[in-house]
Amino acid sequence: DQQVKQNSPSLSVQEGRISILNCDYTNSMFDYFLWYKKYPAEGPTFLISISSIKDKNEDGRFTVFLNKSAKHLSLHIVPSQPGDSAVYFCAASGGLMYSGGGADGLTFGKGTHLIIQP
Amino acid sequence: DAEITQSPRHKITETGRQVTLACHQTWNHNNMFWYRQDLGHGLRLIHYSYGVQDTNKGEVSDGYSVSRSNTEDLPLTLESAASSQTSVYFCASSEAGAPYEQYFGPGTRLTVT
Repeated sequence: DQQVKQNSPSLSVQEGRISILNCDYTNSMFDYFLWYKKYPAEGPTFLISISSIKDKNEDGRFTVFLNKSAKHLSLHIVPSQPGDSAVYFCAASGGLMYSGGGADGLTFGKGTHLIIQP
Repeated sequence: DAEITQSPRHKITETGRQVTLACHQTWNHNNMFWYRQDLGHGLRLIHYSYGVQDTNKGEVSDGYSVSRSNTEDLPLTLESAASSQTSVYFCASSEAGAPYEQYFGPGTRLTVT
């Protein structure tokens, strides 16, 4: 049973426009959420995170929004650049109460392939 | 600069053989993790460790083992490789406790024939 869902396998956005990547989760014990970016043949790279006590976190062109009542988070990239083309993974951590993947193990979504069109 | 490395980057082995994948980090992180990435599954946690002599099972631990004899290394052993273990394996590390950001190695592509 997938606890972190990224329902869009791919997303195509024009350069300079906003990219919005979505993620839903089902486990209410998750209390920390992260976004990772991954290029082919490389390991995932940490991008931005948000604690469940916040509803927004911003870092340069990247902003993550969290809606706890809807169990939904999104990553906004603005403006989108060609180097942003990659696979983006949403991940969640549940602290000591989570037994699915271990106390500090991350639960990942399947990823969204973002393609920035010139 | 601190980093996390994995070796080998590519490995082909036969069914039934024992295989060990190496992971080495110079971040001096207490926490280390192994994940596998398969098409249609994202990354799934295999084993993790909170420090020397500590190991814990993750979501997909069957057929795998780890040992932690020092802070820097967490080798992953496939006791008897199976074709279902063909995958890309990622090692990661993080500081103890919050924040939960994990830093990943470049991955090892393992093929079991």
